[in-house]
Amino acid sequence: GAGVSQTPSNKVTEKGKYVELRCDPISGHTALYWYRQSLGQGPEFLIYFQGTGAADDSGLPNDRFFAVRPEGSVSTLKIQRTERGDSAVYLCASSSSLAGGYNEQFFGPGTRLTVL
Amino acid sequence: AQKVTQAQTEISVVEKEDVTLDCVYETRDTTYYLFWYKQPPSGELVFLIRRNSFDEQNEISGRYSWNFQKSTSSFNFTITASQVVDSAVYFCALSEAPNNYGQNFVFGPGTRLSVLP
Repeated sequence: GAGVSQTPSNKVTEKGKYVELRCDPISGHTALYWYRQSLGQGPEFLIYFQGTGAADDSGLPNDRFFAVRPEGSVSTLKIQRTERGDSAVYLCASSSSLAGGYNEQFFGPGTRLTVL
Repeated sequence: AQKVTQAQTEISVVEKEDVTLDCVYETRDTTYYLFWYKQPPSGELVFLIRRNSFDEQNEISGRYSWNFQKSTSSFNFTITASQVVDSAVYFCALSEAPNNYGQNFVFGPGTRLSVLP
């Protein structure tokens, strides 16, 4: 079956612009995560959705970052007034449920965002 | 607060050598989960193993083995008879038990393994 997909694979934008990054999770997965991975570092948690609601957005760095998942499937990460420091690979992951605390996350290929 | 440390930034070995990647974690929870992921040059994170805090039994899967020791808060990963295809960045991750408000999933900084022919 299809895995997690993310579009675009690469995005180059200018400082101050608005960008949207899309994530299509594995069909049927109720949990969806966004991470940011800077060069040479591990993924850093941004936000987690269970269904349509953001269950934990404590990792969003500031109010320029926002994410939605209106129908409980596809999610969009939105970044306003981009800054050069936002340049990173943005990873999306999905998992089936929280049942029993078991949560294997399946990751997408990421979107590489470059802010000039 | 939870934290994952991977002290080895980069490791180089020659093919067929054994190599161990270290992972030390910190958490205040008694129930938690530990993971290892592989990130090959293509970039996509690949799940390798999950272990819960109540299961300290070591695990072997082919050339891979994992040594979980709660007494030292370590979850080390050994590749036996390494191959060039094992070259990748390996991440250890910690997840505390989920609750109604979500789940906290923390990755270590990664260890870049290079296996030379």
